[in-house]
Amino acid sequence: GDSVTQMEGPVTLSEEAFLTINCTYTATGYPSLFWYVQYPGEGLQLLLKATKADDKGSNKGFEATYRKETTSFHLEKGSVQVSDSAVYFCALRDDKIIFGKGTRLHILP
Amino acid sequence: GAVVSQHPSRVICKSGTSVKIECRSLDFQATTMFWYRQFPKKSLMLMATSNEGSKATYEQGVEKDKFLINHASLTLSTLTVTSAHPEDSSFYICSARDRRGGAGRIGELFFGEGSRLTVL
Repeated sequence: GDSVTQMEGPVTLSEEAFLTINCTYTATGYPSLFWYVQYPGEGLQLLLKATKADDKGSNKGFEATYRKETTSFHLEKGSVQVSDSAVYFCALRDDKIIFGKGTRLHILP
Repeated sequence: GAVVSQHPSRVICKSGTSVKIECRSLDFQATTMFWYRQFPKKSLMLMATSNEGSKATYEQGVEKDKFLINHASLTLSTLTVTSAHPEDSSFYICSARDRRGGAGRIGELFFGEGSRLTVL
């Protein structure tokens, strides 16, 4: 069945460092791909999405490109801030939404 | 942006009692709502999909008699954990799909803030 695999955390970076959180997926169809973020004490929020191959989703300085050939949707940000500290979930949606296990990100000032 | 409200955010109950969690879409109509369970250090697990006015569709391995889901209106779905036991302690999250997604499009999902259930 469909599945999502993302890098395990926690990931700890210094402020202004470059961030990559890897995400790969397996799917029988042509899913849409998402990154969700969960800030401390809050619910899940959609960060960005891409609905077809080669689409790039972007929001708040984060980017991810839907790579069908490598079945990947890696999340990147050029310069992280302390306020980016959160748990990030990669997800795909075909007929239902399937989440990765989440990656906790700590940004040190 | 669209808001989904869950209530209560935290609940502690005794083993054997039933607990109801509400999920409301505050400024949009949701024909479909989803219930997830989040285990510590693990992913969100989809429990069931509820459609307004019809029976919920449960994922494999989820006991429908234990986790009762009712989607009585376009803005409200409820999850009732019946005869709760300590192993039911978890973080339950609902999400709602904005019906304006339309046929052939994927309406955006909005998530509640979650409800932490602790069964003593």
